[in-house]
Amino acid sequence: KNQVEQSPQSLIILEGKNCTLQCNYTVSPFSNLRWYKQDTGRGPVSLTIMTFSENTKSNGRYTATLDADTKQSSLHITASQLSDSASYICVPCGEDDKVIFGPGTSLSVIP
Amino acid sequence: EAGVAQSPRYKIIEKRQSVAFWCNPISGHATLYWYQQILGQGPKLLIQFQNNGVVDDSQLPKDRFSAERLKGVDSTLKIQPAKLEDSAVYLCASSLHRAASTGELFFGEGSRLTVL
Repeated sequence: KNQVEQSPQSLIILEGKNCTLQCNYTVSPFSNLRWYKQDTGRGPVSLTIMTFSENTKSNGRYTATLDADTKQSSLHITASQLSDSASYICVPCGEDDKVIFGPGTSLSVIP
Repeated sequence: EAGVAQSPRYKIIEKRQSVAFWCNPISGHATLYWYQQILGQGPKLLIQFQNNGVVDDSQLPKDRFSAERLKGVDSTLKIQPAKLEDSAVYLCASSLHRAASTGELFFGEGSRLTVL
């Protein structure tokens, strides 16, 4: 059964600090993995997409890593800002075109 | 470029009543999705359209949910009769590509449903 687990479930950090969010998935065969940011009351917005051959990809202060062998991904946020407060959702996609949304990690950045 | 438009943003109804949500995708996007997002969970696919044809509706509770996309553009999602467990945000997304593995999904802001 295709599953996605994310940790931690929620996280509170001080503005300016770094943090790393984790994602474990069991989607197989695997095609690619996206990270989405979902602000409260808004729809998800894509941050990065990684194929099975990519190990790391950056988008500004966001850096995603992928280990397709261990089926793990992480999202690292550098120098956090108040606007980073949101839910971050890991979304692996299988070669069968099935997209599985994880439960998300809720991040709160406080001054 | 205009994004995905959804309405209404909020709806409160009593159980056993009916409700309808509307979605207008990004111009030119042939693929349209409806997702259900329960508080604290990730979105769950209800139905996927390619133009006006259904690609996947395997997780749509067809006894109470229905969706249509008659002219391959706008779409409506209807719930009748609503149950308490239908309380959720209903997200519409569109994509330029048919395959979710190659096309980025662009989401609307969602329609939040509360069933009392």
